[in-house]
Amino acid sequence: KQEVTQIPAALSVPEGENLVLNCSFTDSAIYNLQWFRQDPGKGLTSLLLIQSSQREQTSGRLNASLDKSSGRSTLYIAASQPGDSATYLCASKLSGGYNKLIFGAGTRLAVHP
Amino acid sequence: EPEVTQTPSHQVTQMGQEVILRCVPISNHLYFYWYRQILGQKVEFLVSFYNNEISEKSEIFDDQFSVERPDGSNFTLKIRSTKLEDSAMYFCASSDLGQELQPQHFGDGTRLSIL
Repeated sequence: KQEVTQIPAALSVPEGENLVLNCSFTDSAIYNLQWFRQDPGKGLTSLLLIQSSQREQTSGRLNASLDKSSGRSTLYIAASQPGDSATYLCASKLSGGYNKLIFGAGTRLAVHP
Repeated sequence: EPEVTQTPSHQVTQMGQEVILRCVPISNHLYFYWYRQILGQKVEFLVSFYNNEISEKSEIFDDQFSVERPDGSNFTLKIRSTKLEDSAMYFCASSDLGQELQPQHFGDGTRLSIL
């Protein structure tokens, strides 16, 4: 059974710092991995999707990497801003025809001025 | 940018009542999903729907739950005889053809409170 873990659970950083959020998964037979942002009381905004054959994806100040063999993904946020404050979730989709995403508990990020 | 829209944003219902949560997926998407998030817990998969039938469901999705695509635009989740533990945020999502390669796009959710 796939388990997705995110570390740290919470992070508080000053504005301008570069930071790394970690996601690990127990079953390396994933089809893809998706990173989301969740603002309080809101839905999930898709940030990046990495296919199992890819090593990384970039969008603006965000870079996500994937290492299937070690069961790890990281989300790198460059030059953090207060507007980046949110909860960041990773979710994996297993290969084998499964549709569902399996989520981690998230990292709650606070970027202070 | 196209969005998944969900109504209502907040639903308060007495225990034992039936509730219908509504979603309008992105118009050209063919795969539809429901997830839920109990306060303070992980987002959990409930069900996926394709070609007018359930393609996958979790153990949570028992006979109390049903889904329907009543027309070309809406996707609904019905919960019969609601229980206190059904209180959660319910998210609808959709994805395009070739869903293995496409991201799932989520709505803002419906907060369901069972009294």
